[in-house]
Amino acid sequence: AQKITQTQPGMFVQEKEAVTLDCTYDTSDQSYGLFWYKQPSSGEMIFLIYQGSYDEQNATEGRYSLNFQKARKSANLVISASQLGDSAMYFCAMNLQGAQKLVFGQGTRLTINP
Amino acid sequence: KAGVTQTPRYLIKTRGQQVTLSCSPISGHRSVSWYQQTPGQGLQFLFEYFSETQRNKGNFPGRFSGRQFSNSRSEMNVSTLELGDSALYLCASSSFGGGRETQYFGPGTRLLVL
Repeated sequence: AQKITQTQPGMFVQEKEAVTLDCTYDTSDQSYGLFWYKQPSSGEMIFLIYQGSYDEQNATEGRYSLNFQKARKSANLVISASQLGDSAMYFCAMNLQGAQKLVFGQGTRLTINP
Repeated sequence: KAGVTQTPRYLIKTRGQQVTLSCSPISGHRSVSWYQQTPGQGLQFLFEYFSETQRNKGNFPGRFSGRQFSNSRSEMNVSTLELGDSALYLCASSSFGGGRETQYFGPGTRLLVL
């Protein structure tokens, strides 16, 4: 069975600093997808970035990048130049090839201080 | 393109009642998945529908059921509500549900069972 572990329940960062949110995963499958979502207090899950298990390059989307280390089974999210609007819960998730079932970690609450 | 919409946004029910939640996917998306989010259990997969057929199911009792219509809109039903069913119910859609596809979430329905 797949499992996602996010070891940082909460993080506090100064505005404009870079921040790394940790995510490790466990699966015996070779083909899988890794996702990061942001959930503001309103509740909606906002897609941030995707990394496929066979993708050789780390994914990037604007200020978001995913530090993918396959051998270590880690998929950390890096946010560059943090902004006050980045304050939210962040979830790491994965699914297996051919299945739409996302397995989520427990999330990290990120707070950006001015 | 309009995003995923969910109705109602908030709902209060009493134990023993039943409830029906609705989800309209992004236009052209044919896969709809449902998730339950609670403080204790986090985000858990309920089920996924594609072309009016349930393709995947999570580990929930039979009181939780769903269906999908020919226009890809989906409903989930919870019968004989229990206090523990209080949660944020999130719906997500994707084009074909091929596993590596990104799922886009709606704003959720907050259900409170008294």
